[in-house]
Amino acid sequence: DAGITQSPRYKITETGRQVTLMCHQTWSHSYMFWYRQDLGHGLRLIYYSAAADITDKGEVPDGYVVSRSKTENFPLTLESATRSQTSVYFCASSETALNTEAFFGQGTRLTVV
Amino acid sequence: DQQVKQNSPSLSVQEGRISILNCDYTNSMFDYFLWYKKYPAEGPTFLISISSIKDKNEDGRFTVFLNKSAKHLSLHIVPSQPGDSAVYFCAASANSGYALNFGKGTSLLVTP
Repeated sequence: DAGITQSPRYKITETGRQVTLMCHQTWSHSYMFWYRQDLGHGLRLIYYSAAADITDKGEVPDGYVVSRSKTENFPLTLESATRSQTSVYFCASSETALNTEAFFGQGTRLTVV
Repeated sequence: DQQVKQNSPSLSVQEGRISILNCDYTNSMFDYFLWYKKYPAEGPTFLISISSIKDKNEDGRFTVFLNKSAKHLSLHIVPSQPGDSAVYFCAASANSGYALNFGKGTSLLVTP
């Protein structure tokens, strides 16, 4: 099916563990984004990518690592998870840099215990 | 510092009436504004957008108004339906930027 999919949908991990959230899109959109949604903050940008092998930091990048070896995939890794990273994570993609319309995945609810 | 502000966390409207959701922004470089709708346990979905060269954009029951001098935009839903009950996010982007700046969202409840 065409679209943008995130996996897993739910994840519980322990403090200090490494965890990777996956994001896959089938439109061949150049731009991909990772946001986190927290109560009282709305959605905040973690990292974004303009193309394969091109990534850049967003508003809240600390503690996260991304890679983009293929256009369709944009995994987000928490190198050493902390409780403050408990959140809902959304991946998005868009066709142009102007971000006229970004398409979002269904989200990954991550709990760090 | 929050550059896109939605000062009303929640709004309750009767079915058939107009819903007005408000959004203010502080960054004068923003030139494109979007509204996203989000249901629980789902990702945000695009609803409607407006470029800074316009002051109104309409799509069916949804109309977005932009007042650049006041740095204010609003989303009107007429008539409101129970299926419109969701969280609405206002977002903005600047021509030179890649990403969206989101407000905190307004939870709309449309009651029968």
